[in-house]
Amino acid sequence: SQQGEEDPQALSIQEGENATMNCSYKTSINNLQWYRQNSGRGLVHLILIRSNEREKHSGRLRVTLDTSKKSSSLLITASRAADTASYFCATGPFTGANSKLTFGKGITLSVRP
Amino acid sequence: GAGVSQSPSNKVTEKGKDVELRCDPISGHTALYWYRQSLGQGLEFLIYFQGNSAPDKSGLPSDRFSAERTGGSVSTLTIQRTQQEDSAVYLCASNPDSTRGTQYFGPGTRLLVL
Repeated sequence: SQQGEEDPQALSIQEGENATMNCSYKTSINNLQWYRQNSGRGLVHLILIRSNEREKHSGRLRVTLDTSKKSSSLLITASRAADTASYFCATGPFTGANSKLTFGKGITLSVRP
Repeated sequence: GAGVSQSPSNKVTEKGKDVELRCDPISGHTALYWYRQSLGQGLEFLIYFQGNSAPDKSGLPSDRFSAERTGGSVSTLTIQRTQQEDSAVYLCASNPDSTRGTQYFGPGTRLLVL
């Protein structure tokens, strides 16, 4: 079953604008991660935020985590055409030895030049 | 250093045939994962290897699917008697010690079953 659910499913913006993507999840987590996927191939890790963190930055990326609402957001500032891709949130389990990630279905971001 | 590699990049097979997909994880990574991604969908967990521990096979969709990891490094995912619904991109990932951290993904194998 899907743990993370992203919102919106698709987003189209103009280059230079900010893109905000949201993710909600259902069970307790150890961490939440965001990945990018180009052209339906391998995923690239963007950022990881742990359950005891509320906000994290990496370059033009800003991630927030609200464990009380079981939600996260990914903000890409000053978007570029090269940011066009699918973005997935993935949650790492709170307990258990298996660190398998549970992915949402992804958000398709289109950045128009 | 070298990332996760997978082969073949693309595989077209006929329904009923067996296929083998290969994953070479990053050297030294003890944890290895297989995921499946159907068109327009998220990733579906298939199987997880951690060191010498018994693998977690809880995500394998049927007994036609199996995987092994030899010598704690290379892994092979085998699909027997392929069906059209097996068509998907099969992604492999590894991480250093499965401490619930970043996973490093290979480029995937795109499987098409005719």
